[in-house]
Amino acid sequence: AQKITQTQPGMFVQEKEAVTLDCTYDTSDPSYGLFWYKQPSSGEMIFLIYQGSYDQQNATEGRYSLNFQKARKSANLVISASQLGDSAMYFCAITPRWGSGGSNYKLTFGKGTLLTVNP
Amino acid sequence: DAEITQSPRHKITETGRQVTLACHQTWNHNNMFWYRQDLGHGLRLIHYSYGVQDTNKGEVSDGYSVSRSNTEDLPLTLESAASSQTSVYFCASSSNNQPQHFGDGTRLSIL
Repeated sequence: AQKITQTQPGMFVQEKEAVTLDCTYDTSDPSYGLFWYKQPSSGEMIFLIYQGSYDQQNATEGRYSLNFQKARKSANLVISASQLGDSAMYFCAITPRWGSGGSNYKLTFGKGTLLTVNP
Repeated sequence: DAEITQSPRHKITETGRQVTLACHQTWNHNNMFWYRQDLGHGLRLIHYSYGVQDTNKGEVSDGYSVSRSNTEDLPLTLESAASSQTSVYFCASSSNNQPQHFGDGTRLSIL
């Protein structure tokens, strides 16, 4: 079974500053995928970024980067140069056996971190 | 553009009634999923499908059923709605080894 822990129920950041949202995971699978989704107050779930456990480089997508530390079982999301529109709930998720064949593609989510960007 | 749509966006019904939530995707994805989102629980998997005629139970499947008669649709049925099933429901789809993309959600209230 997989488990995601997001220890920060809420975070505050000043506009234009960088912020790190924490995510730790637990899995017994040798390969897995880690994902971040954004949920603004309007309610939709928006895919942001993902990292496969065998990927050598940390994933980046524009202002988003995933700080993957396999030994620590952490997959933190870093948002650079925060914008007011970044205010939202952020969810970390994991799926087992990603990219190795036999993946079931099911996502297990954490409970989320509510990010507020202050002007 | 390809997309995934859920309908209705909002629904209010009474306990004991059968309710069906629709999910339609035009990406031709093999994999489709239903999740529910409740305060304090994040998103939890209800049912999922890897292709036509394939359906599987997720973490919280009791009281729900799905059917997959074509690639595009995965309707979710609540056989006899209960107040504990009041929630926001999300449908998602993906191709193999690609991230899931979500619909906009259905807010279901059962009175």
